[in-house]
This record gives sequence, C-alpha cells and structure tokens, in this order.
Amino acid sequence: QKEVEQNSGPLSVPEGAIASLNCTYSDRGSQSFFWYRQYSGKSPELIMSIYSNGDKEDGRFTAQLNKASQYVSLLIRDSQPSDSATYLCAVTRGSTLGRLYFGRGTQLTVWP
Amino acid sequence: KAGVTQTPRYLIKTRGQQVTLSCSPISGHRSVSWYQQTPGQGLQFLFEYFSETQRNKGNFPGRFSGRQFSNSRSEMNVSTLELGDSALYLCASSWGPDRGSLYEQYFGPGTRLTVT
Repeated sequence: QKEVEQNSGPLSVPEGAIASLNCTYSDRGSQSFFWYRQYSGKSPELIMSIYSNGDKEDGRFTAQLNKASQYVSLLIRDSQPSDSATYLCAVTRGSTLGRLYFGRGTQLTVWP
Repeated sequence: KAGVTQTPRYLIKTRGQQVTLSCSPISGHRSVSWYQQTPGQGLQFLFEYFSETQRNKGNFPGRFSGRQFSNSRSEMNVSTLELGDSALYLCASSWGPDRGSLYEQYFGPGTRLTVT
C-alpha cells in the first residue's frame, strides 16, 4: 500500500466551479498535511497546510482533514483557468519529520 | 525574504561522470531536504540535513550523497551517473524560527539534470 494516494485524475472543471481533490494516507502516525501546486515545468509551491481535524480556509482554498478516516482534501472554489496545474498531497510522519511523503498528484484543468 | 535558490538550473552530463548540485535555503531555515522528480516515479525523497547532520535518508544507492554546511547551505553529489539519473532535482528548506510552520517545506526552482 502506498503511503499517500490521490485520485489520479485528470480532473476537468469549468471556470467558476468547485474543484475537489482527495488524498488518503496509510500511516496513522502522520502528523502534518500539505497541498502543493505544481505548474508544468516549475517546482512545487506550498498552498495549504493543515495539522488538526476540520477545515482550514485560505481565500478560495479549503483544506479538510479527517484523521479517523485518514483522509485529506482540497476544495478550490470559483476555479480559474490559472488554477490549472498538478496538485500534490504530502504528509509527514512522527518518526521522520523532515521528510515529506508525496502522492502522485492530480492534474486539474479549468476550462473557460 | 529571499526564497530557496538552487544552482545550476540546468546541467548536461555524460554517463559515468559525477555532478554536484547546490542549494541555499531560506534565511533562518535549518533543514534542507532533497527530492528527485521524474515522470515515472513522481517525487522521491533522497535525504534531509538538519544542522549539518543527515537526519533522514531515502532508498537511493550510495552514489547519491549530500552534506550541509554551517550556514545551512547544502550540496548533493551523484557519482558515476547513469541514464536513469536524468531528473529534476529539488531541494526544500524548512525548520525556521516560526514554530507554527516548522514542518512546511518550501521548494527551490530545481536543477534539471540530463544524463546522455
């Protein structure tokens, strides 16, 4: 079983819609959870971090964490064509805090 | 505040050669992690250095090595290059003075290595 799994996509939504990206993780010892955005040919950019159960909102982005279900999601409201990118879910484990475990990413396309 | 910088940005090497990549973390960050990204394998963790000590290591052969200097700058070295080493090599810095964001890793632009 992979450490971190994401819905493989690709995901395509119209401009203005809500994009929902999902991620599950296998280790119950996982402590910190992150979403990165990576444009083609660029490096990953941190857009959200979440550490406790519940929702965390930042502008058009909402991260949701459910540790009991080992599930973390990212909602993008009012999606824009500029949101088209690959979204990477990453987690840390208690024993290796300086290491991020990444999912394979979900490619999102927002069409006008 | 300046971000993470990596040099060189692009590199072309021949099989059997060795290469050294450099990473300067965000000022005040004490940890540097290195990752390899390929289309087939995604992002894979190489190693992490914290206060000049290797704290974590991924599952890469001994040809891949690294070090960190007292100013937190880090280098990674790959010896006896193979074609499969062609990848984007990313470094990320973390563990700054803000305890609320200790584990957040910020990536540099990467070094694109091509082995021919």
